[in-house]
Amino acid sequence: QVQLVESGGGVVQPGRSLRLSCAASGFTFSSYHMHWVRQAPAKGLEWVALISYDGTNKYYADSVKGRFTISRDNSKNTLYLQMNSLRAEDTAVYYCAKVGAAGGYWGQGTLVTVSS
Amino acid sequence: QAVVTQEPSLTVSPGGTVTLTCGSSTGAVTSGHYPYWFQQKPGQAPRTLIYDTNNKHSWTPARFSGSLLGGKAALTLSGAQPEDEAEYYCLLSYSGARVVFGGGTKLTVL
Repeated sequence: QVQLVESGGGVVQPGRSLRLSCAASGFTFSSYHMHWVRQAPAKGLEWVALISYDGTNKYYADSVKGRFTISRDNSKNTLYLQMNSLRAEDTAVYYCAKVGAAGGYWGQGTLVTVSS
Repeated sequence: QAVVTQEPSLTVSPGGTVTLTCGSSTGAVTSGHYPYWFQQKPGQAPRTLIYDTNNKHSWTPARFSGSLLGGKAALTLSGAQPEDEAEYYCLLSYSGARVVFGGGTKLTVL
């Protein structure tokens, strides 16, 4: 069965960096586009970034463009989100998600708190 | 940037039927937006109920169905159960790989 497990969250000061990981299993990771989605406390879901199956194409929400970088290592079945210049408004649970023609699957999320 | 709109809140009686809708600021929602519907309960990750307008996952209760209705995507719940009380989000895809979530509908079963 499809399994997505995020890691790397934690408490970080404003302006610092953090890298999230998402370990994928149960499907052919290298064949699917992957997303990062976040949810601020008591708020709705916000799409963050998308990477194509082969890593060639990357797309970002305007709120993170220029600060966040999505990447993947298909040899390790792992998705990444490098977050730089973090701000208080980046505080959220970050989910990796496989959302496409074959349905939608979510990880359990990892909490990122940006605070001094 | 497109804005995706949902009813902020709806109430349904146990056993009743309710339809949640998902509209787009760019015009009518079509199958080309590949509408998705997610259910989220407090403290849990979202769970996909419907993908590509009307396709269900194996875990999707039969009482949920997806469709296009009056230029919007729609999620219909027929025979509401107490456990259906949750937040529901839709997702639409746009050209240029733009993906936008709706603001969510808080569904109360009362």
